[in-house]
Amino acid sequence: GENVEQHPSTLSVQEGDSAVIKCTYSDSASNYFPWYKQELGKGPQLIIDIRSNVGEKKDQRIAVTLNKTAKHFSLHITETQPEDSAVYFCAASISFQKLVFGTGTRLLVSP
Amino acid sequence: DAMVIQNPRYQVTQFGKPVTLSCSQTLNHNVMYWYQQKSSQAPKLLFHYYDKDFNNEADTPDNFQSRRPNTSFCFLDIRSPGLGDAAMYLCATSRERTSGETQYFGPGTRLLVL
Repeated sequence: GENVEQHPSTLSVQEGDSAVIKCTYSDSASNYFPWYKQELGKGPQLIIDIRSNVGEKKDQRIAVTLNKTAKHFSLHITETQPEDSAVYFCAASISFQKLVFGTGTRLLVSP
Repeated sequence: DAMVIQNPRYQVTQFGKPVTLSCSQTLNHNVMYWYQQKSSQAPKLLFHYYDKDFNNEADTPDNFQSRRPNTSFCFLDIRSPGLGDAAMYLCATSRERTSGETQYFGPGTRLLVL
């Protein structure tokens, strides 16, 4: 089955810096790649997603890139703010909406 | 404005005592999911309903069951909770069961087993 690896597990940055989180997936049939942000004690919230027919997508300070050949995708957050501190999960979807999640990245943005 | 609502937010039960967690949605979505998330781990899909069609994951223990009496509500039943079942249980919904449909998560129910 599909397997998603996510790195790093922890990322500390200073406010205003950029943060990059990377994921690789194993099944080339995967065609949908969402990113979720989970704050302490809350459910995951979708922040951005990308489909396999697109290489890059941006939404204000957040961008996602997809390299289908290498089977990896990345989340980029620019001008980080303390409220960006959370756990971020990547995921890949192969069929019938079953999401396979990465192991998560704890992002800490220090003022 | 809450779209996916889970009750209770915190549940304490005793070892072996059946417990039911509930989820409701105001989105009128066809699909409802239950995930288990243990501390510092990714959510793990237990099962999902597509309308009234129940779909169990192969590695979901028999101890976990679910009911969906109508479009809006879905329940997770744990028949005999063990200490290893302590976790956050997340409910999610999506409009359709096709790749690319966004899943909307509820806030979760944290289950403690004593």
